[in-house]
Amino acid sequence: QQQVKQSPQSLIVQKGGISIINCAYENTAFDYFPWYQQFPGKGPALLIAIRPDVSEKKEGRFTISFNKSAKQFSLHIMDSQPGDSATYFCAASGYEGNTPLVFGKGTRLSVIA
Amino acid sequence: EAGVVQSPRYKIIEKKQPVAFWCNPISGHNTLYWYLQNLGQGPELLIRYENEEAVDDSQLPKDRFSAERLKGVDSTLKIQPAELGDSAVYLCASSPRGGDEQYFGPGTRLTVT
Repeated sequence: QQQVKQSPQSLIVQKGGISIINCAYENTAFDYFPWYQQFPGKGPALLIAIRPDVSEKKEGRFTISFNKSAKQFSLHIMDSQPGDSATYFCAASGYEGNTPLVFGKGTRLSVIA
Repeated sequence: EAGVVQSPRYKIIEKKQPVAFWCNPISGHNTLYWYLQNLGQGPELLIRYENEEAVDDSQLPKDRFSAERLKGVDSTLKIQPAELGDSAVYLCASSPRGGDEQYFGPGTRLTVT
């Protein structure tokens, strides 16, 4: 039973373009939705996170859009750069970790010049 | 501020041998997690500690895996005996008290031959 479903599995974007990765969840106890970025041989790094009380959060070129009624959230990377090429994971957890953090299967992003 | 430290970074052992991984969390972080990451997958929680207490070990295969967090700081994860299917990356993460943000270490890549 996969609690967080992520798509697409892989994504190729031209430099300067917009990368969009989508996630859907089922558990209504989730109230914290982070995105992690992982480079080969490294651990996941927290990129940006959102809570259900807002529909959008932006940090630099990274934006999370959140749709509570649809139980979906997405990551948008504006002006994508080759250095953004990595694997991105969405995740979700419940109140203060009492519902453990669960991850999607990841999206491998390649930004080509 | 130093991040989560893990050692060793790589370990190759023969099946049926024991192996141990060590983690030093970010200073002041009360909560410590061990995750398993298979190739091409997101991390999966093995165990969560609040200080020295294991508060969620439901996903830890207790027949061969054990963990400890003496004095509520460093932690060790042990596998005995290792099986071929244990080949994966073992990640340690930590978070501050009451915080949802989890910060990951670089992981230990285990290869069982």
